[in-house]
Amino acid sequence: DVVMTQSPLSLPVTLGQPASISCRSSQSLVYSDGNTYLSWFQQRPGQSPRRLIYKVSNRDSGVPDRFSGSGSGTDFTLKISRVEAEDVGVYYCMQGTHWWTFGQGTKVEIK
Amino acid sequence: EVQLVESGGGLVKPGGSLRLSCAASGFTFNNAWMRWVRQAPGKGLEWVGRITSKTYGGTTDYAAPVRGRFTVSRDDSKNTLYLQMNSLEIEDTAVYYCTTDSDGGPRDWGQGTLVTVST
Repeated sequence: DVVMTQSPLSLPVTLGQPASISCRSSQSLVYSDGNTYLSWFQQRPGQSPRRLIYKVSNRDSGVPDRFSGSGSGTDFTLKISRVEAEDVGVYYCMQGTHWWTFGQGTKVEIK
Repeated sequence: EVQLVESGGGLVKPGGSLRLSCAASGFTFNNAWMRWVRQAPGKGLEWVGRITSKTYGGTTDYAAPVRGRFTVSRDDSKNTLYLQMNSLEIEDTAVYYCTTDSDGGPRDWGQGTLVTVST
């Protein structure tokens, strides 16, 4: 099974400042069709998860442009350019190249 | 607007059975590949099972922990996805989410239904 490892697991941030979450996979996520199926999700307290990013860097509809995804192969990053109060929650990366595997989650909280 | 509404969760004893339903609307259900994802209390996310559209044979696949015990099915005439869970174990306690399968990941999520397996 592909293992997804996120860091850090806890991320205290200051409002208005940038934040970054890393996600590493145990094997390449490049699929035979040339696509890399790496997604990012946000789960606010008490809510269902919501997809933010798919195929590494594509924002889902309605996702603010302060969220961006990057990376390739086995190393990926989610960046929030300026953290807002509504960004508090747990963020998960997920690979969809070799079935589905989620990272452990990164808890983002305000300092 | 896409809506996924799960139901059927509840308290069940170890070894028991439960069937979850997911009513879908706002998209062409019979063309959609669908999955179940679960989240144990205070834990992360884990995919449970998948079903392709009938065009792709309605093929099912399962994560190792549930294979042989859980069955995913669909009724396209009712726009409904199902998860039949048999031989339930305490470790199956979780919120179960119904999701659409798009671009290699779950795009739309329901609100979830809680399954508690306990004596």
